[in-house]
Amino acid sequence: DAKTTQPNSMESNEEEPVHLPCNHSTISGTDYIHWYRQLPSQGPEYVIHGLTSNVNNRMASLAIAEDRKSSTLILHRATLRDAAVYYCILRDYNAGNMLTFGGGTRLMVKP
Amino acid sequence: GAVVSQHPSWVICKSGTSVKIECRSLDFQATTMFWYRQFPKQSLMLMATSNEGSKATYEQGVEKDKFLINHASLTLSTLTVTSAHPEDSSFYICSARDTGTTVGYTFGSGTRLTVV
Repeated sequence: DAKTTQPNSMESNEEEPVHLPCNHSTISGTDYIHWYRQLPSQGPEYVIHGLTSNVNNRMASLAIAEDRKSSTLILHRATLRDAAVYYCILRDYNAGNMLTFGGGTRLMVKP
Repeated sequence: GAVVSQHPSWVICKSGTSVKIECRSLDFQATTMFWYRQFPKQSLMLMATSNEGSKATYEQGVEKDKFLINHASLTLSTLTVTSAHPEDSSFYICSARDTGTTVGYTFGSGTRLTVV
C-alpha cells in the first residue's frame, strides 16, 4: 500500500473544529483513503473512508484534494472523548485486504 | 453494526507457557481475519492474515511456529503464543470486515499480554 504522512501530534480546544491532515502523494487510482482512530488501550475504530468525493458521516467529514494527493479529516466539534491517535491509511482494493498502519496523529483535546 | 469480540482483554503468564487469544465476529461471518501486534507508543504491525479453512499467511519476520493461528469457523480465529517470553509482551489486536456492508474494518478491543 502507498505510504501516508501525518503530523505526529496536534492539539485542539474542546468544542472547536479540528482538521487532521494526511499526505499521500503516491496514491494510485485504486487506493481508497481510510481513517481510523485508536483510543488508549483499545483497538482501532473505523471513522470514515472515501475514494474521490468528500464524505460525511455522523462521526466526521473527509475532504479529499482534487488530485487525491492529500486529504483532511474534519471533526466538527472536538470533545474530550475525541482524544486519540488518528490513522490515515490507503487501501488498494486490488491488492489484498489488510490495512497497513503508519504512525498516525495523536490528537490532544484541551478543556 | 459489525462487532468483533476479543478475549481475554488481558492475561499474565509465566515465561515458557502458551497463551491462546480468541477473536470472534459476533454478527457476521468472516472468512478472513487479521492479527496485529502493538508495542507501547508504537503503531499496529500486521502479524498474519487468518483464512477460514486454510493456513494463515504470516508477515515477514513473524515466526509461524511461535504464533499459531487457527481459523476453524467463519466466526472464530485464535492466536496462540507458544513458549512465551517477556519480549512477546505486547498488545494483540484482531480485525475483520463484514463484506456485506460498505463500512470499514472492525477491530477487537485488544489483548494485553504480559509475560513474566
